[in-house]
Amino acid sequence: GQSLEQPSEVTAVEGAIVQINCTYQTSGFYGLSWYQQHDGGAPTFLSYNALDGLEETGRFSSFLSRSDSYGYLLLQELQMKDSASYFCAVGYNFNKFYFGSGTKLNVKP
Amino acid sequence: SAVISQKPSRDICQRGTSLTIQCQVDSQVTMMFWYRQQPGQSLTLIATANQGSEATYESGFVIDKFPISRPNLTFSTLTVSNMSPEDSSIYLCSSTSGRGETQYFGPGTRLLVL
Repeated sequence: GQSLEQPSEVTAVEGAIVQINCTYQTSGFYGLSWYQQHDGGAPTFLSYNALDGLEETGRFSSFLSRSDSYGYLLLQELQMKDSASYFCAVGYNFNKFYFGSGTKLNVKP
Repeated sequence: SAVISQKPSRDICQRGTSLTIQCQVDSQVTMMFWYRQQPGQSLTLIATANQGSEATYESGFVIDKFPISRPNLTFSTLTVSNMSPEDSSIYLCSSTSGRGETQYFGPGTRLLVL
């Protein structure tokens, strides 16, 4: 089966940089995605890696290494509004998606 | 991007009853997905719904408990049948972008079964 592990909780201060890791035990997926979910809200798409390497989208960057079964989401210049849960997810043939365990990010002033 | 709406947004139901959740997308999409999310937990895929064919269910989910309809390319329903308190959860529907790597989610249906 698919297993995507993330740290359960991360705390950082405003303005800092934080990295949220995703280690997985699965293969054959098309890409690794990241989603943000605020309390009471729906998940929203942040970033996607089809190939190994770094993808940058504004303050957010995502990295994938298939050989290491590892990816991460990097959030720069943290803001209070970044306090949310973050999920990695893998997609298979674009018709199955499995989500990681999720990381709750707490941003402190 | 797709805009997805769900009805109802929340409901409180008695055990043994059934609830049908509706999901509407503002554009035609090939695949729609139904997820369950316990508060503070991850998303678990229930099934994938393609128009014109039977839904494909994940391990642990069966059609008798979670019947799904997909009558056209913009609409789907998920029914939670013969509910028990263990079915209390948030139910989310989603669709993918044209290229498939991005999922767009509805706002969710918060279900409490007493």
